[in-house]
Amino acid sequence: QKEVEQDPGPLSVPEGAIVSLNCTYSNSAFQYFMWYRQYSRKGPELLMYTYSSGNKEDGRFTAQVDKSSKYISLFIRDSQPSDSATYLCAMSVNQAGTALIFGKGTTLSVSS
Amino acid sequence: DSGVTQTPKHLITATGQRVTLRCSPRSGDLSVYWYQQSLDQGLQFLIQYYNGEERAKGNILERFSAQQFPDLHSELNLSSLELGDSALYFCASSAPAGKETQYFGPGTRLLVL
Repeated sequence: QKEVEQDPGPLSVPEGAIVSLNCTYSNSAFQYFMWYRQYSRKGPELLMYTYSSGNKEDGRFTAQVDKSSKYISLFIRDSQPSDSATYLCAMSVNQAGTALIFGKGTTLSVSS
Repeated sequence: DSGVTQTPKHLITATGQRVTLRCSPRSGDLSVYWYQQSLDQGLQFLIQYYNGEERAKGNILERFSAQQFPDLHSELNLSSLELGDSALYFCASSAPAGKETQYFGPGTRLLVL
C-alpha cells in the first residue's frame, strides 16, 4: 500500500462547479498537509497548508483534514478554466525541513 | 514565480553520460530539496541539504549525488544515465525557521536517449 493515495482522474467539470479532490494516507504520523497546483510543464505551486485536523479557507479554496479517517480534501468553489491543472496532495511528519510525501496528483479540467 | 531558479530547463543526453542540474534557492532559505517526477512514480523526494550539510536522503540512486555550496546553491549530479532516468527534476527550498513549507522551482526536464 502506498503511503499516499490520490485518484489520478481526469476530472472534468463545467465552469462554476464545486470541485472536490481527495487523498487518503496510511501513516498516522503525518501532521502537516499541503495542496499544490501544477500546470503543465511547470513546478508545483503551494495552494494550501494545514496542520493537523480541521478546515482552512482561502478565497475559493477550502482544505479539510480528518486525521481520524486519514483523509484530506480540497474543495474549489466557482471553478474557473484557469483552475485546470494537476492538483497534488503532500504530507509530512514534521514542519518544513523534512521530505514531503506526495500523492500522484489529480488532473482537473474546467470547461467554459 | 516562487523565487527558486533551476538551470537548465531542458537537457537531452545519451545513456551512460553524466549531467549536472543546478538550483538556486529563494533568498534567505537554507534548505534545498531535490525531487524527481516521473509519470509512473509521481513526485518523489531524493535528497535534502541544509546550510551545506546533507540532512535527509530519500529514494536516491547511488549513481546520483548532490551538494550544496557556501552560497547555498545546490547541484544534483546524475551519472551513468539510463533511459529510466528521464524525468522532471525539481528543486525546492524552505525557510530556516521551519514555519513555511517548500517552494518549488520550474524544474529541469531530462531526456535520456
